[in-house]
Amino acid sequence: NAGVTQTPKFRVLKTGQSMTLLCAQDMNHEYMYWYRQDPGMGLRLIHYSVGEGTTAKGEVPDGYNVSRLKKQNFLLGLESAAPSQTSVYFCASNDPFTSTDTQYFGPGTRLTVL
Amino acid sequence: AQSVTQLGSHVSVSEGALVLLRCNYSSSVPPYLFWYVQYPNQGLQLLLKYTSAATLVKGINGFEAEFKKSETSFHLTKPSAHMSDAAEYFCAVSKYSSASKIIFGSGTRLSIRP
Repeated sequence: NAGVTQTPKFRVLKTGQSMTLLCAQDMNHEYMYWYRQDPGMGLRLIHYSVGEGTTAKGEVPDGYNVSRLKKQNFLLGLESAAPSQTSVYFCASNDPFTSTDTQYFGPGTRLTVL
Repeated sequence: AQSVTQLGSHVSVSEGALVLLRCNYSSSVPPYLFWYVQYPNQGLQLLLKYTSAATLVKGINGFEAEFKKSETSFHLTKPSAHMSDAAEYFCAVSKYSSASKIIFGSGTRLSIRP
């Protein structure tokens, strides 16, 4: 049981390049989330999904797109990276329909945009 | 709207001393409250959560938090700090009565002096 995994762990992009971050969970959770973490600002929700095939915007969705084609995977895409997107990205998942409803976090992806 | 405010971005205590990390929340509905810990270069880990069952919540690693509705507070305490407690701590509130769509505070970095 690996929990929540994220790929890659580190990435450096040039302005304007695109990339996709992959999040995978093996806990059969319905809900999945993408956050970004910036110094002094805590975690801010980018997008989330309440089930396979569904996505919704969070607090800071601009410049990002997401897809949830399979229940266990949640992809975060940057179509044209900007230096303002330099951050640490965390994926999380939970199942609100169980008594152990808790968000489980991945180890993070550190992204630098030059 | 839900929000949390963590008082003090950095707290330093001596080993063996009391740890007190402050969190105040704002919520238009009965809140679902959390404390998470983040060790360097790792994801977030749940310390404890308040679900309205009991106002004093005990978590892992000897931490506990007390929900005080009259003060809209959910402060985190530990009677005796260990060096291994050095980490960043996040207070969070859920918009719904579950661990979904959590809103995080800006975090408090805890340092332990030998």
